[in-house]
Amino acid sequence: DQQVKQNSPSLSVQEGRISILNCDYTNSMFDYFLWYKKYPAEGPTFLISISSIKDKNEDGRFTVFLNKSAKHLSLHIVPSQPGDSAVYFCAASAGSTGNQFYFGTGTSLTVIP
Amino acid sequence: DADVTQTPRNRITKTGKRIMLECSQTKGHDRMYWYRQDPGLGLRLIYYSFDVKDINKGEISDGYSVSRQAQAKFSLSLESAIPNQTALYFCATSRADIQETQYFGPGTRLLVL
Repeated sequence: DQQVKQNSPSLSVQEGRISILNCDYTNSMFDYFLWYKKYPAEGPTFLISISSIKDKNEDGRFTVFLNKSAKHLSLHIVPSQPGDSAVYFCAASAGSTGNQFYFGTGTSLTVIP
Repeated sequence: DADVTQTPRNRITKTGKRIMLECSQTKGHDRMYWYRQDPGLGLRLIYYSFDVKDINKGEISDGYSVSRQAQAKFSLSLESAIPNQTALYFCATSRADIQETQYFGPGTRLLVL
């Protein structure tokens, strides 16, 4: 049973516009969330994180929003650049389970020049 | 040099063969993880190790075994490979604190015929 879901397998956005990637989770015990970016033939690389005590975390062009009541988080990339084209995974963990993360299925982002 | 390395990067084997995938890290992290990635399923945790003497099963450990030879080395074995173990395998590491970011290797692509 998939506890972390990314319902959009792919997304295309024009360069300079905003990219919004969504992630839903079912386990109310999850209290820490990560976004990873993955290029072909490489491992996932950490992008940004958020804990459940916050509803927003920003790092440069990347902002993650957390809506705990809706069990939903989103990653905003503004402005989008062609180099952002990659697969993005969200991941969630519950503090009580140590560092066991559950990953979503990924969203492939294409930024069109 | 890469902080997390995996060998081999690609492997083709036959059903019933025993194979070992190896992971080494120079990050000095205590914790190491093995994941597999399948199309449409994201990354799923196979095994994880919090230190040399502490090894735990993840979501999908059946058919796999692991060995933590040293703090820096964590290997994954398929005792008798089967075709549905064809996947992309990733090793990851993290520090020992709860809910720490995980750092991934480049992956091993395994094909079981």
